[in-house]
Amino acid sequence: SSELTQDPAVSVALGQTVRITCQGDSLRSYYASWYQQKPGQAPVLVIYGKNNRPSGIPDRFSGSSSGNTASLTITGAQAEDEADYYCNSRDSSGNHREVFGGGTKLTVL
Amino acid sequence: QVQLQESGPGLVKPSQTLSLTCTVSGGSISSGSYYWSWIRQPAGKGLEWIGRIYTSGSTNYNPSLKSRVTISVDTSKNQFSLKLSSVTAADTAVYYCARNYYDSSGTLFDIWGQGTMVTVSS
Repeated sequence: SSELTQDPAVSVALGQTVRITCQGDSLRSYYASWYQQKPGQAPVLVIYGKNNRPSGIPDRFSGSSSGNTASLTITGAQAEDEADYYCNSRDSSGNHREVFGGGTKLTVL
Repeated sequence: QVQLQESGPGLVKPSQTLSLTCTVSGGSISSGSYYWSWIRQPAGKGLEWIGRIYTSGSTNYNPSLKSRVTISVDTSKNQFSLKLSSVTAADTAVYYCARNYYDSSGTLFDIWGQGTMVTVSS
């Protein structure tokens, strides 16, 4: 399958924990990567692989996966975490295609 | 550190060919096991992967755009390029170039250009 499904919008109270999910058949075969995008800016990689953070990404960001669902968890959300979040995976249909989820708008209340 | 910068016309007429170049600085485009990708984002919408190239010249394209897309690389200039033919208003978007690594476990885009807005209009 070549689709990744995300909830369009999620909100979290300041300092609380939020989980953003991504569903798709390809996630049974491949890990997802996650990107944060703030208005007017390019996406930034925040999680990749089993649960890896690039240098400079706070450790409040973590990733997990189970079956056809990948999750990005922010533990102790900060105001600066308000952004759009996209998941990405390889397509498992064998055509060497990359797929992005539709994105989740995270609001920090 | 490696940086990417897109360049090209910001306005393209319908039915013409969109041409963009991504310049890689701070490192060689040929170093490491990286692919070099193009991704676009219409205003207010999500990300769409267009395609990628390896420095050997090997390419993969999004099947939905494959008939109109050509990605090429010039290692001597540390650049890779995108050509999208027969454009329509639906191709209006911010176009990003990005460094891509993928293997048997997954994929990632770890470095992105700032993006360049391309409008298709007469």
